[in-house]
Amino acid sequence: EAQVTQNPRYLITVTGKKLTVTCSQNMNHEYMSWYRQDPGLGLRQIYYSMNVEVTDKGDVPEGYKVSRKEKRNFPLILESPSPNQTSLYFCASRTDQSSYEQYFGPGTRLTVT
Amino acid sequence: KQEVTQIPAALSVPEGENLVLNCSFTDSAIYNLQWFRQDPGKGLTSLLLIQSSQREQTSGRLNASLDKSSGRSTLYIAASQPGDSATYLCAVRPPDYKLSFGAGTTVTVRA
Repeated sequence: EAQVTQNPRYLITVTGKKLTVTCSQNMNHEYMSWYRQDPGLGLRQIYYSMNVEVTDKGDVPEGYKVSRKEKRNFPLILESPSPNQTSLYFCASRTDQSSYEQYFGPGTRLTVT
Repeated sequence: KQEVTQIPAALSVPEGENLVLNCSFTDSAIYNLQWFRQDPGKGLTSLLLIQSSQREQTSGRLNASLDKSSGRSTLYIAASQPGDSATYLCAVRPPDYKLSFGAGTTVTVRA
């Protein structure tokens, strides 16, 4: 089954404790991205990657890091989480930058206290 | 910068009533517009995609229209059912391929 998986699905952590949210897709997609969703603001793109070893900032990259060492994986790293990073995070992938169909993961709900 | 607005933020209707969801965007230079459905605890599911050259797109009980010049799209859901309860998001794709999302309309269909 074609899918995007994220782990963990729920995470409660404390300020400053480094964490990683994993994302994996099994569709051999080149393009992957991370979004955060906050009430009243819609989804905002954090980072995206057009292929292995190619990443770029989205609209709200501050406080986040990503890496793309393998085509299927695109982890999101919070080196020093802060309460304003409490949000619902989605990973997404599509065949390439110009393709229309985008597949979303189930989301990770992060709470930083 | 593209701004996408969805009004109302929430909507409650009795079963059987037709749903009308609105999406407006500020920059008409778009390649396409997509409507997504979001269920709690799940990701986004693409419902309909309208290319910038199209006026509407239909899938079953769903019909989406696009008026690019006025920066508006409408999603119609005919004969609503409780299973249609979800949050509906619209997203526009400008030439730089980055999707811009609206905040969504949360729909509740009462049995």
